[in-house]
Parts: sequence; C-alpha cells; structure tokens
Amino acid sequence: AQSVTQLGSHVSVSEGALVLLRCNYSSSVPPYLFWYVQYPNQGLQLLLKYTTGATLVKGINGFEAEFKKSETSFHLTKPSAHMSDAAEYFCAVTAYNTDKLIFGTGTRLQVFP
Amino acid sequence: EAGVVQSPRYKIIEKKQPVAFWCNPISGHNTLYWYRQNLGQGPELLIRYENEEAVDDSQLPKDRFSAERLKGVDSTLKIQPAELGDSAVYLCASSLDFATGDAGELFFGEGSRLTVL
Repeated sequence: AQSVTQLGSHVSVSEGALVLLRCNYSSSVPPYLFWYVQYPNQGLQLLLKYTTGATLVKGINGFEAEFKKSETSFHLTKPSAHMSDAAEYFCAVTAYNTDKLIFGTGTRLQVFP
Repeated sequence: EAGVVQSPRYKIIEKKQPVAFWCNPISGHNTLYWYRQNLGQGPELLIRYENEEAVDDSQLPKDRFSAERLKGVDSTLKIQPAELGDSAVYLCASSLDFATGDAGELFFGEGSRLTVL
C-alpha cells in the first residue's frame, strides 16, 4: 500500500522568504512522486514529478523538490515566495506500474506582504 | 489546446434528489478519472476509465453512484439519491495512456461543487 503524509496543514511565509512544504511517503515499491497545486476555485495543476533518475527535480514557477529515499521524503521548496504562490499544495504518490494517484491532505500556503 | 471541461460548476440540491456531472477530457487522452474532494482533504479516486472500460471502480459507492463513458470520450457521473455526506467537489481528470510513461501526470478540470441540503 502507498500513502503520503503532509506535515502542516497551513504554512505562512512573508513575500521573499523561503517556502518549505513537507511530504513523507510510504511505498512498498519504488514510488513516483508528485506535487500538485490548486488555486482557489480551480482544478489541480502539476507542479513537478519524480519518477527515476535525478533526485532533484525542478518544476514550474521556480519550485523544486528533492527525493530522499533514506528519509522517505519529497519536500517542496522555493527560494523566494511570491504573493501569487498562495494556494493549496498536494503531494501525491503512485507506483511505476499503476496509474492510481494517492494524494495527501494538502498544505495551504499563505504569503504575506 | 482546450483543457478538461466540467459542468455544472456549482449545484445545490436537497437530499434524496438526483444529480449528474459531465466531463469532457482533453482530446486524445484515453484515461479519464473521477475524484471526490471533501473540504480540507485531498482528492480521492472514485473511478478510472481506460477508453470505455471502467478499470478501477473499487472506491465508487455503487448503491447510489454510477458513471458511464460512452464512446470513450466524455463521461457522466450520477448520484441518486444524494445524501448530505455527498457534499464535496467532484473533479474530473484525464491523462495519456500511462504505458507511455506519463503515469501520474493528470490534467484536472475546475470541478463541480455539490451542496446537498
């Protein structure tokens, strides 16, 4: 079975500050890991994904995430927050031979001026 | 390129009434998903289609929920009768065949928000 745990349902940062959203996964097979973003009243949009290869993956809007197998983590970071980053962020996991995404409960990011 | 289109965006009904949601996926996407997102939670898969075939409906409450994807393109999700606990956002998503290597890369519609009174 697979699952993800997102630590912190709400994260608040000042504009220009580092963004760090935490995600830990559990998987009995090599995982594929994803971060999706959901802006208010919109559907989810893929930010970035890790499948195989380089463990540091870069996504849209300056976000990146690092797959750390030893820590079973896939934390999302951005060096400098922008007001437009305010949204809900979901970590998700699937296995290489399935197409069933398991989502975390989400982290709401607030950015203050 | 047009994205995933869902309708209606909002629906308010009384309990025990029926409701239906419609989804048109991205052209060429063989796989279609219906997810339910409760307030403050992540999306949960209800059903997944590969073309016309429902390949995973293990989480669909079959006593009141039904879905169809005739002709392997657009899809309809129905609830009859609706219960108070069905209030949620129903998300439709589509993807290319995951065998191509795009597993997990889903494109979501804006969702249909259901309120059951």
